[in-house]
Amino acid sequence: NAGVTQTPKFRVLKTGQSMTLLCAQDMNHEYMYWYRQDPGMGLRLIHYSVGEGTTAKGEVPDGYNVSRLKKQNFLLGLESAAPSQTSVYFCASSFPVGAQETQYFGPGTRLLVL
Amino acid sequence: LAKTTQPISMDSYEGQEVNITCSHNNIATNDYITWYQQFPSQGPRFIIQGYKTKVTNEVASLFIPADRKSSTLSLPRVSLSDTAVYYCLVGRSSGSARQLTFGSGTQLTVLP
Repeated sequence: NAGVTQTPKFRVLKTGQSMTLLCAQDMNHEYMYWYRQDPGMGLRLIHYSVGEGTTAKGEVPDGYNVSRLKKQNFLLGLESAAPSQTSVYFCASSFPVGAQETQYFGPGTRLLVL
Repeated sequence: LAKTTQPISMDSYEGQEVNITCSHNNIATNDYITWYQQFPSQGPRFIIQGYKTKVTNEVASLFIPADRKSSTLSLPRVSLSDTAVYYCLVGRSSGSARQLTFGSGTQLTVLP
């Protein structure tokens, strides 16, 4: 049982390049999330999904796209990377019970955009 | 969105009880409160969650006053391994919609 895994662990991009971050979970969770974490700012929600084939915008969605074609995978795409997207990206999954939920986080992807 | 405020840092000594407070003045009726722990180069890890009054588990307690405008994470008898960043989260659910607001985190340093 690997929990939540993220690929890659680290990446360097040039401005304007594109890339996809992959998140996978083996806990059969319905909900999945993408966050970014910047120094002194905590975690901010980018996009989330409440089930296979569904996605929704979070607090800071601009410049990112997501897809949830399979229940266990949640992809985060950057079409044209910008230096402002330099950050650590975390994926999480959860199985809400009523209105409350416990999120399980992956180890993070460190992205540097030059 | 709910706004959360936490102290930037706290120091403690081994064996002491540590209380970290998070302010969330505009919390809504159905919002819930969760605390996470994060070590360097790792993802956050769930500690405890609650809605009102007091919740206790094997590692921590969570105190939420009646007005719910703040919450306090209590760690009993901390050890060096409790040195980490602690985040409060206010979560809001409306059907399938989610609003999740993390605080900026409190760096707890436990000294020998």
